[in-house]
Amino acid sequence: KQEVTQIPAALSVPEGENLVLNCSFTDSAIYNLQWFRQDPGKGLTSLLLIQSSQREQTSGRLNASLDKSSGRSTLYIAASQPGDSATYLCAVFSGYSTLTFGKGTMLLVSP
Amino acid sequence: DTAVSQTPKYLVTQMGNDKSIKCEQNLGHDTMYWYKQDSKKFLKIMFSYNNKELIINETVPNRFSPKSPDKAHLNLHINSLELGDSAVYFCASSPTGGYEKLFFGSGTQLSVL
Repeated sequence: KQEVTQIPAALSVPEGENLVLNCSFTDSAIYNLQWFRQDPGKGLTSLLLIQSSQREQTSGRLNASLDKSSGRSTLYIAASQPGDSATYLCAVFSGYSTLTFGKGTMLLVSP
Repeated sequence: DTAVSQTPKYLVTQMGNDKSIKCEQNLGHDTMYWYKQDSKKFLKIMFSYNNKELIINETVPNRFSPKSPDKAHLNLHINSLELGDSAVYFCASSPTGGYEKLFFGSGTQLSVL
């Protein structure tokens, strides 16, 4: 059974810092991995999707890497801004139309 | 022109009642889902439908019955509501079932009193 763990559970940084969020999964037989952002009272927004054959994906200040063999992914946020404050969730797709989610990292970026 | 819309946003009801949550997507996707996010913020799949057909039913009590009248709609009906059903329920869709990005609705906060 696939399990996804995210560390840290919460992170508080001053504006402008670069930061890394971590995600690990127990079964490396995945098709892809997604990073989502969840704002309070709102749904999830998919930020980046990395296919199993890829090593990384970039979108603006966000860079996600995937090391499938070791069961790890990182989300790198450059030059953090207060608007980046949200919960970030990692999810892996192992087939059968379902994603397995981690519990998320709650990020607070202070001005 | 919201991509995935679900109603209502908030639902407060008494134990034992029956309630429904509606979901619609205008993205032309084939696959739709219901996820439950509990008080610890853990998201778990409940159901997955592909082109109106049930694909996944993840050990959800049979008080929960999804209905997909067409591939753009996936409604969730809950009978005999219990206190433990209180959670946020999210509808989502994807083009063909997980190989691409998922698009989520904004959630329905269900509170059972």
